[in-house]
Amino acid sequence: SQTIHQWPATLVQPVGSPLSLECTVEGTSNPNLYWYRQAAGRGLQLLFYSVGIGQISSEVPQNLSASRPQDRQFILSSKKLLLSDSGFYLCAWSVRGGPRTQYFGPGTRLLVL
Amino acid sequence: GENVEQHPSTLSVQEGDSAVIKCTYSDSASNYFPWYKQELGKGPQLIIDIRSNVGEKKDQRIAVTLNKTAKHFSLHITETQPEDSAVYFCAASISSYGKLTFGQGTILTVHP
Repeated sequence: SQTIHQWPATLVQPVGSPLSLECTVEGTSNPNLYWYRQAAGRGLQLLFYSVGIGQISSEVPQNLSASRPQDRQFILSSKKLLLSDSGFYLCAWSVRGGPRTQYFGPGTRLLVL
Repeated sequence: GENVEQHPSTLSVQEGDSAVIKCTYSDSASNYFPWYKQELGKGPQLIIDIRSNVGEKKDQRIAVTLNKTAKHFSLHITETQPEDSAVYFCAASISSYGKLTFGQGTILTVHP
């Protein structure tokens, strides 16, 4: 069966510090991968999606970037965090070329102080 | 782009009652509509989905209906239980890459 992992689970970072969040998927090959941000009490905002290694599409201009160095690894990064980057970050995957169901990871809660 | 509106934003029911959450979408090309349940501090979990070639789908106490003409779809939960308390999100998709546009969520509280 497929599983999706995210780490860390919680992160507290000062403004201006760098960020690296990691997501890995097991039990599937060539997945589509997604990064979402969820502000408190709000819906999910798609940040990036990827259909293959090195292929990243950005949905909204922001202080963040994404990379996919391996087929089942998706990384969210920032060089300098802003207060507004605080939120709950969710990674998700779906079957490439298959049903569009997305499966979410457990999320990373980021607090920028 | 696609826009999804969800209401109500909060819903409070007594155990055993039914709960209905409604969503409207803007792009008539949307053809896939999932519903997710999110418990506090966790990632959303898919509970049911429907495709545009189907008008209704049911899974035990949960059902989803779709009206393509009116561009709205609804989640129905019957015989609600306290463990149904969570945030529910609807979404719509027209993309072959599986991009989803989410509604703003409904906080459902089921009182024992």
